[in-house]
Amino acid sequence: AQKITQTQPGMFVQEKEAVTLDCTYDTSDQSYGLFWYKQPSSGEMIFLIYQGSYDEQNATEGRYSLNFQKARKSANLVISASQLGDSAMYFCAMREHAGGTSYGKLTFGQGTILTVHP
Amino acid sequence: EPEVTQTPSHQVTQMGQEVILRCVPISNHLYFYWYRQILGQKVEFLVSFYNNEISEKSEIFDDQFSVERPDGSNFTLKIRSTKLEDSAMYFCASTYLGGLSSGQYFGPGTRLTVT
Repeated sequence: AQKITQTQPGMFVQEKEAVTLDCTYDTSDQSYGLFWYKQPSSGEMIFLIYQGSYDEQNATEGRYSLNFQKARKSANLVISASQLGDSAMYFCAMREHAGGTSYGKLTFGQGTILTVHP
Repeated sequence: EPEVTQTPSHQVTQMGQEVILRCVPISNHLYFYWYRQILGQKVEFLVSFYNNEISEKSEIFDDQFSVERPDGSNFTLKIRSTKLEDSAMYFCASTYLGGLSSGQYFGPGTRLTVT
């Protein structure tokens, strides 16, 4: 079974509008972390935002916010006021505690390609 | 701002040859990782390294792969006898802590092409 599922292979948004990228996850751990990374066409992986499973507030970082719904096991990324430079692949990832032996490996979803139109 | 660096940015090699991919993690980081991304696919974990030993490895990381931290700064991934299916982008990542909230910082990647 997939641990991280991103159901949107591609998304389109008009510049200056908000967009939500979906991510659902599967874990039996109580303690885990959720991450979003951006991968522009140049290929590097840029860390955007983090949400801990025990965090009561949704994480925010500038124009990025994470809509965390623990009961539904979803961690959607919301990008407000989209810019042309936001066009990229976006990956959702999870780090599980794995009984205390996890050394922090990330499990990634398949990614969503976001295209921002002018 | 400190960053993870990787060399070379692109490596072309013939099948059966050995390659060494090099990474310089952020200087005060303690946990190091290698991931790979086959073109158009998701990023996959290969191995994590802490306190000068492998702490976890995936099923992809078979006997053909090895990692080393030969000095205080470099972290290398060696593929002994490359196969066509090893063609991928290889990312090095590091983090200060191994805890759940520690964001992993990725290098720019090395694109390995096996012909």
